[in-house]
Amino acid sequence: AQTVTQSQPEMSVQEAETVTLSCTYDTSESDYYLFWYKQPPSRQMILVIRQEAYKQQNATENRFSVNFQKAAKSFSLKISDSQLGDAAMYFCAYRRSNTGKLIFGQGTTLQVKP
Amino acid sequence: DSGVTQTPKHLITATGQRVTLRCSPRSGDLSVYWYQQSLDQGLQFLIQYYNGEERAKGNILERFSAQQFPDLHSELNLSSLELGDSALYFCASTTAPGTGELFFGEGSRLTVL
Repeated sequence: AQTVTQSQPEMSVQEAETVTLSCTYDTSESDYYLFWYKQPPSRQMILVIRQEAYKQQNATENRFSVNFQKAAKSFSLKISDSQLGDAAMYFCAYRRSNTGKLIFGQGTTLQVKP
Repeated sequence: DSGVTQTPKHLITATGQRVTLRCSPRSGDLSVYWYQQSLDQGLQFLIQYYNGEERAKGNILERFSAQQFPDLHSELNLSSLELGDSALYFCASTTAPGTGELFFGEGSRLTVL
């Protein structure tokens, strides 16, 4: 069974600094999707970034980028120039195929200090 | 706005009662997923429907049931409620082929007293 592990329950970063959130996963599949979702205090689940496993290039969305290491089954999220609005719970998620369910990690709570 | 609509947003009820949570997926999405988010357990997959048929089942209790109707909206029925059922219940939808992500509603917060 596929699993997703986020080993950092809490992280903090100074405003304008850079922070990296870690995620590892376990799968025997070769084709899959990986995601980072943000859950602010409003509790809405917001997609931050996605990565298709067949793509070697790391995904980037503005200040958010990932370091995808397929062989190591690692998928970390880097947030550059952190802003107060980035404070939230961040979930790493895995999806085996375009028709499968999302499997979530336990989440990392990110605090941004002014 | 994700395009996924969930009602009610908040619900308070007593132990032993039954509630129904409703989800309208994004226009054109055939797949609907239900997730439960408790305070100490993250997001747990409950069940998936595709075009009216159950596609996958996760950690869903026997007291819980769901269905997807011909108009593609879905309902999650929770019965014989217990204190531990208090949680945020999310519905998500997606289409295939697509870009892979699930689009989440705002959730229904259930409090069982």
